[in-house]
Amino acid sequence: RKEVEQDPGPFNVPEGATVAFNCTYSNSASQSFFWYRQDCRKEPKLLMSVYSSGNEDGRFTAQLNRASQYISLLIRDSKLSDSATYLCVVKSEYGNKLVFGAGTILRVKS
Amino acid sequence: DTGVSQNPRHKITKRGQNVTFRCDPISEHNRLYWYRQTLGQGPEFLTYFQNEAQLEKSRLLSDRFSAERPKGSFSTLEIQRTEQGDSAMYLCASSTKTGLGGNTIYFGEGSWLTVV
Repeated sequence: RKEVEQDPGPFNVPEGATVAFNCTYSNSASQSFFWYRQDCRKEPKLLMSVYSSGNEDGRFTAQLNRASQYISLLIRDSKLSDSATYLCVVKSEYGNKLVFGAGTILRVKS
Repeated sequence: DTGVSQNPRHKITKRGQNVTFRCDPISEHNRLYWYRQTLGQGPEFLTYFQNEAQLEKSRLLSDRFSAERPKGSFSTLEIQRTEQGDSAMYLCASSTKTGLGGNTIYFGEGSWLTVV
């Protein structure tokens, strides 16, 4: 079983739609959680950190459920420019590395 | 540009040849990471340096792979006797521990390796 699992998609949505991605992680010692965005053939870039209380950054909302070891990302009012791969990422308290999921592909169409 | 710099950006090599990639992290970042990414997968951790010390290595890092960070600044990743399965994007990242106990990791644009 992979340490971080995501639905690979692709999610094909129209502009303006709301779309949600989910992710599960297996290491209960994981302490930090992130969503990264990766455009085709580019490097991953930090989209947002994920906190237990949930957090919002403009059209993006991230949630963490530690009991279920589940992370989500909600994108409202999708834009064409949101088309990318979204990577769910976890980091354990005692490790120094980020562990990435395989990513979820989002395609926003006009 | 003060971001993480990697070179070469693209490398095509014949099977069996050696290749070396260089990474220049963001200045004053004491942590440096190497990851490998193949199509359809997320980045996979290879190794981690804190200053010049290599503190963690993945089992993915076979004996054909070696990484160094001799002066705690730039790093090199060498692959000896390349195989077609080594074809991937090799990502370097750097970070520094923040006062809040977390760290933000910044990636370079990656070095694409094609082994033919």
